[in-house]
Amino acid sequence: DIQMTQSPSSLSAFLGDRVSITCRAGQNIRRHLNWYQQKPGKAPKILIYAASTLQNGVPSRFTGSGSGTEFTLTISSLQPEDFATYYCQQSYTTPYTFGQGTKLQIK
Amino acid sequence: EVQLLESGGGLVQPGGSLRLSCAASGFDFSTYAMTWVRQAPGRGLEWVSLISGAGGDTFYADSVKGRFTISRDNSKNTVSLHMDSLRPEDTAVYYCARDVINGWFDHWGQGTLVTVSS
Repeated sequence: DIQMTQSPSSLSAFLGDRVSITCRAGQNIRRHLNWYQQKPGKAPKILIYAASTLQNGVPSRFTGSGSGTEFTLTISSLQPEDFATYYCQQSYTTPYTFGQGTKLQIK
Repeated sequence: EVQLLESGGGLVQPGGSLRLSCAASGFDFSTYAMTWVRQAPGRGLEWVSLISGAGGDTFYADSVKGRFTISRDNSKNTVSLHMDSLRPEDTAVYYCARDVINGWFDHWGQGTLVTVSS
């Protein structure tokens, strides 16, 4: 199975800050990397697929980058609704695997 | 509007069985693969199983292989997850999700809670 490792596991930031979350894959997954946002008690929501393609309706302050084994999700200017947990997921091969999550909290 | 609605969760004893269902609407169901993802209380997301649009191909996480069976009925727009030999570590909210080609999930249900406990 391909192991996905996110860092940091948690992050505190101010409104308006720029933050980045890193996801590392245990092997080359090309650009088969997706990012989800999850709020408490809710289902996850797709933000970015194929490493850098923004899902329809997702604000442009979210960007994804990377390929191979290292990927980054960046939020350019934090808004109140962005405080949530973020997960990366590889779709290169089954079994699909998720990172352990990054909890983004207000400082 | 795409909608996914899970049902069938509940409390079951270790070693027991349960069948989850997901009713889909608002899209051409048979043209999409469907997947199940679970989340144990306070934990992260774990992919469980996938079934192709026609139902001929199925895939499982190692943790459930041989115990869980995914199936679909394209005439009823439903996907099911039959779970046997349940263990306490199977306790989780189970989500069904639509699998866009290339394995990312663009629509999710609200989830159904499965609790395995004596």
